[in-house]
Amino acid sequence: DQQVKQNSPSLSVQEGRISILNCDYTNSMFDYFLWYKKYPAEGPTFLISISSIKDKNEDGRFTVFLNKSAKHLSLHIVPSQPGDSAVYFCAASDSGTYKYIFGTGTRLKVLA
Amino acid sequence: NAGVTQTPKFRVLKTGQSMTLLCAQDMNHEYMYWYRQDPGMGLRLIHYSVGEGTTAKGEVPDGYNVSRLKKQNFLLGLESAAPSQTSVYFCASSEEYQPQHFGDGTRLSIL
Repeated sequence: DQQVKQNSPSLSVQEGRISILNCDYTNSMFDYFLWYKKYPAEGPTFLISISSIKDKNEDGRFTVFLNKSAKHLSLHIVPSQPGDSAVYFCAASDSGTYKYIFGTGTRLKVLA
Repeated sequence: NAGVTQTPKFRVLKTGQSMTLLCAQDMNHEYMYWYRQDPGMGLRLIHYSVGEGTTAKGEVPDGYNVSRLKKQNFLLGLESAAPSQTSVYFCASSEEYQPQHFGDGTRLSIL
């Protein structure tokens, strides 16, 4: 039973435009959410996070939005750059268990 | 600063063989994790540890064992490898309520 879902396996965006990656979760106990980026043959690297007490967190070109009532979070990348082409994973954690549950990933391709 | 180092990077095994994957971190992190990544399945948690001498089961623990005898090392063992365990294995470490740092993975093929 997938507790964290990324329903779009892939996304293509033109360079300079906005990329929006979505993630849904089912466990209401999750209180910490993260996005990771992964290039081929490398491990995932941390991008941005948000705790459940916030609804938005921004870091440069990357913004994460959290809608707790809908159990939905999204990652916005503005403007998108070719170097952003990678697989993006969202992850969620219940602070009481120390476990991080990952989604299936979305492959983003930014076209030059 | 090496971060998280996984050994080996590649390995081919025959069904029934055993092996141990080693993860070492130099950040003095309390928490360590083993994941497997399969096409269309994302990263699935196998086992994790919240401190030296402790281990706990994740989402897909069957067929694997782990040990955390030293704080900096987390070992993943396959006692009798099966083709279904062909995967890319990632180790990660973190502090409490902090993002995880990942190694570059071990690609394991079981024939």
